[in-house]
Amino acid sequence: AQSVTQLDSQVPVFEEAPVELRCNYSSSVSVYLFWYVQYPNQGLQLLLKYLSGSTLVKGINGFEAEFNKSQTSFHLRKPSVHISDTAEYFCAVSDRGTGANNLFFGTGTRLTVIP
Amino acid sequence: DAGITQSPRYKITETGRQVTLMCHQTWSHSYMFWYRQDLGHGLRLIYYSAAADITDKGEVPDGYVVSRSKTENFPLTLESATRSQTSVYFCASRGVTGANVLTFGAGSRLTVL
Repeated sequence: AQSVTQLDSQVPVFEEAPVELRCNYSSSVSVYLFWYVQYPNQGLQLLLKYLSGSTLVKGINGFEAEFNKSQTSFHLRKPSVHISDTAEYFCAVSDRGTGANNLFFGTGTRLTVIP
Repeated sequence: DAGITQSPRYKITETGRQVTLMCHQTWSHSYMFWYRQDLGHGLRLIYYSAAADITDKGEVPDGYVVSRSKTENFPLTLESATRSQTSVYFCASRGVTGANVLTFGAGSRLTVL
């Protein structure tokens, strides 16, 4: 089974500064990787996904992530954050099978953008 | 309205009572899921359904019951609520070829006193 580790539970960053949210996964098979964002009192929404192809994936709101197979990482980055980026971010991994119960989430990273 | 809706959004109940959380989606997605979100645990899968009348357990199914008589509805029932079931519950859905890209509802915050 897969698992996901988000080492940073909270990341404070000043407005317009760059940010990186770290995600490492473990899996013995090829995977799909995802980042979801959760704004206060809302459900999760997909930020970006890696299914295949280019290892640099661009998502909504200026975020991007890079799949590094050798380091089993999928870190999320943004060069300049805004106040509106304050939210909880979840990394998730699934294998490439057709099963429906194979999506695993990390424990989340709370990004707080400081004015 | 198109999308995935959960009700109620907020619920307070007492230990031992039965509670049902509703989930309705308008896309005719085959797969539907129930997750609970707890601090320090992220999201954990409770139950999922691949189609009407097909359901299966996830990671934390104890104390919960689901049914899926219609494709668009996937209610989650706590037959006898316990304090440990205080949580935020999210319903999600995806199509058959969704590559595990889920669409989530807004969540139901349940407090068991």
